[in-house]
Amino acid sequence: DAGITQSPRHKVTETGTPVTLRCHQTENHRYMYWYRQDPGHGLRLIHYSYGVKDTDKGEVSDGYSVSRSKTEDFLLTLESATSSQTSVYFCAISKSGQGTDTQYFGPGTRLTVL
Amino acid sequence: TQLLEQSPQFLSIQEGENLTVYCNSSSVFSSLQWYRQEPGEGPVLLVTVVTGGEVKKLKRLTFQFGDARKDSSLHITAAQPGDTGLYLCAAWTSGSARQLTFGSGTQLTVLP
Repeated sequence: DAGITQSPRHKVTETGTPVTLRCHQTENHRYMYWYRQDPGHGLRLIHYSYGVKDTDKGEVSDGYSVSRSKTEDFLLTLESATSSQTSVYFCAISKSGQGTDTQYFGPGTRLTVL
Repeated sequence: TQLLEQSPQFLSIQEGENLTVYCNSSSVFSSLQWYRQEPGEGPVLLVTVVTGGEVKKLKRLTFQFGDARKDSSLHITAAQPGDTGLYLCAAWTSGSARQLTFGSGTQLTVLP
């Protein structure tokens, strides 16, 4: 199994509070991704990173920001959480981000915004 | 934007039955992947198909890539309860963006 951990695994928070989710990898892969998964929508890309301090937006980036100060860590921040951000969040990593590359996923974080 | 459409969205069958899941697009792909996600876990890669017309077998699972490389199918023979899960097709975007686009998934339930 690829070494990917996410923390916390579960979080309940209130509307308007800031929330930070952490993804940590031990594989030294260049690419890191944050997805959210909701019923009927599959996996939707929030942001991704192609190197330290290099990030780009995905399909559903509004209301989210990311940071990557080290190869192994990718943080997802909800500046002011809303109920529409209740979801399961997955972090993923890959070596090259193209072709036949494999994407490895973390175990997920279940976030509930009340 | 590459759109991957999967069908059916839900499938509930009895143990021992066969089933086929489809992944279709109007775009041509250099390769296509299938992932399986079990409850409470992240998706895991099952297979990557690269060549048009390619068929790959993984025990009771058979994956096919369409001749025109626009579609793919997953066939499961004699389904077992352990096959229960969400099956997702996916393809890497072309160009400079390093993103993996996922279909909306097929939720399979195999009843004992």
